Amino acid sequence: AQKVTQAQTEISVVEKEDVTLDCVYETRDTTYYLFWYKQPPSGELVFLIRRNSFDEQNEISGRYSWNFQKSTSSFNFTITASQVVDSAVYFCALSKGDSNYQLIWGAGTKLIIKP
Amino acid sequence: DAMVIQNPRYQVTQFGKPVTLSCSQTLNHNVMYWYQQKSSQAPKLLFHYYDKDFNNEADTPDNFQSRRPNTSFCFLDIRSPGLGDAAMYLCATSREGAGLAYNEQFFGPGTRLTVL
Repeated sequence: AQKVTQAQTEISVVEKEDVTLDCVYETRDTTYYLFWYKQPPSGELVFLIRRNSFDEQNEISGRYSWNFQKSTSSFNFTITASQVVDSAVYFCALSKGDSNYQLIWGAGTKLIIKP
Repeated sequence: DAMVIQNPRYQVTQFGKPVTLSCSQTLNHNVMYWYQQKSSQAPKLLFHYYDKDFNNEADTPDNFQSRRPNTSFCFLDIRSPGLGDAAMYLCATSREGAGLAYNEQFFGPGTRLTVL
């Protein structure tokens, strides 16, 4: 069965610190996709990144970076030099193997950035 | 800008009084989803439309229904809201098809439903 685990329920750091959000997944599929979404207090889920199972290259987008390691079934998300606006709940999700358009969601990590 | 729009943003209804939430999209995506999200939880998929085909999740209560009259619009009907149905309802869209697997979903801002 597929599963996504975000073990960190809540993380609190001071502004400008680096922070890493962990995501561990389980799947038997050889082809799958992983996603990260941000949900600020306003409630809207904002897509951040999609990564397919054949592309283990790490990605950097400004202060955001993602580390995908199939060997440990992890897809971790790092924010460098955090800012107050980064405060949100972050969800990691995995595409279902039996259909190409449904997601299995992690429980989310609430990130609090203190000024 | 292409987007997913949900109306209203906040909805208050009375216990047992039917309510309809609406979603529209300008992305021309063929798949539309309805999620329920309760406080401090991940979104829970209620159902989705793949084009005109309706797909209900096995654990979605019969109290929840949906309509998709055309590509752009999708409605969520709650026939007899209970106190436990108070939640954020999120609409999402994606573009799916042969050779276009595992695309990201784009979400609307959500409708927060209060049941009195």
